Amino acid sequence: DTAVSQTPKYLVTQMGNDKSIKCEQNLGHDTMYWYKQDSKKFLKIMFSYNNKELIINETVPNRFSPKSPDKAHLNLHINSLELGDSAVYFCASSWDRENRPGTDTQYFGPGTRLTVL
Amino acid sequence: AQKVTQAQTEISVVEKEDVTLDCVYETRDTTYYLFWYKQPPSGELVFLIRRNSFDEQNEISGRYSWNFQKSTSSFNFTITASQVVDSAVYFCALLPPGGGNKLTFGTGTQLKVEL
Repeated sequence: DTAVSQTPKYLVTQMGNDKSIKCEQNLGHDTMYWYKQDSKKFLKIMFSYNNKELIINETVPNRFSPKSPDKAHLNLHINSLELGDSAVYFCASSWDRENRPGTDTQYFGPGTRLTVL
Repeated sequence: AQKVTQAQTEISVVEKEDVTLDCVYETRDTTYYLFWYKQPPSGELVFLIRRNSFDEQNEISGRYSWNFQKSTSSFNFTITASQVVDSAVYFCALLPPGGGNKLTFGTGTQLKVEL
């Protein structure tokens, strides 16, 4: 009964490759997010989607392209991977507070550790 | 702009000691929301608490307690009688009003509880 799941948990790849990370939530939430945690543990939001619509895009390089086929899924595709993309990527979900006030707590997936060699 | 400061990078305590993790935030909004998350060595992010800016009541949950002081823009977290299982990185975070739900995290405090 996992709430927010991500696959894969670990991803090791060469520079220049293209890779995807998948995220699914079974909480019924209407908003999903991608966060990046760097080597110093700093967490920063990358994207948020509400009902499959992009809401936040935090000046992330164009090589990163999120895709939301439905409100329960938000995938992250990364083109032409660079060494600096090595990090832990977290997916999260919540309700949009505009729709459900007081229920905007974000619940996180287990993370995907991406290592670019 | 939103900012969250966790000045304590790392804290080490001996089991059964009480420990307080500090969180200071900056915002121009009058309504906002504050959170604490725990990241154990296994890596996942676990939600601990959510607090509205208009609710300054302190909260206690078992060995955990939170002290919210709007006058000093602080939202501190105390663990009473710490245990080895409390060893983790703890993040404080701020959520502004409005759409987007953009959560701003502090840099985290690494808590090590030793026997």
